[in-house]
Amino acid sequence: QKEVEQNSGPLSVPEGAIASLNCTYSDRVSQSFFWYRQYSGKSPELIMSIYSNGDKEDGRFTAQLNKASQYVSLLIRDSQPSDSATYLCAVHLIATYGGSQGNLIFGKGTKLSVKP
Amino acid sequence: ETGVTQSPTHLIKTRGQQVTLRCSSQSGHNTVSWYQQALGQGPQFIFQYYREEENGRGNFPPRFSGLQFPNYSSELNVNALELDDSALYLCASSLATTSDVLDTQYFGPGTRLTVL
Repeated sequence: QKEVEQNSGPLSVPEGAIASLNCTYSDRVSQSFFWYRQYSGKSPELIMSIYSNGDKEDGRFTAQLNKASQYVSLLIRDSQPSDSATYLCAVHLIATYGGSQGNLIFGKGTKLSVKP
Repeated sequence: ETGVTQSPTHLIKTRGQQVTLRCSSQSGHNTVSWYQQALGQGPQFIFQYYREEENGRGNFPPRFSGLQFPNYSSELNVNALELDDSALYLCASSLATTSDVLDTQYFGPGTRLTVL
């Protein structure tokens, strides 16, 4: 059973601080990793994708990937109250049958609360 | 806005009934994936369609079925509804690739199904 594990939180940080969200996965052959943000009652929206080991930065967001440790993280710098949401880590499960793209395996999400 | 639309937004059904949910993919995308998200959980993969054929399936019973049309719009059908089918149903469109890297999946706003 392929799994993606996240700390469910809630993670509470003060406004302006760095929020650190972590995710581990069990499928060693996964090559694609995604962070989605989901506001209450809404659908997931993509924040970052990362495919190679190391860091990838986009504005206030930095994704970090370590395939050897099967670990991916998301850092949010200068956290804002509008960042308060559930953050979903998703890992690509490569299909074992030909022709399929495979699918995403999601963690349960980490709820982030940014206090003004 | 991802360009992925879903209808209806909300739906209330009773146990044993059948339901059809609809999804219109983002322009240029040829693959659609359906997910079920129960309250407090991450999305779970139901199945994927590519070129009008089922192209991968998660751990869901056969009463969950789907269709993809030539214009890449899609339907999710659920027969013999059960109380546990109450969830947010999400479709995600993407562009199939031939590599092991999964193209980003963009989610629609979802359909909230309540089974009484």
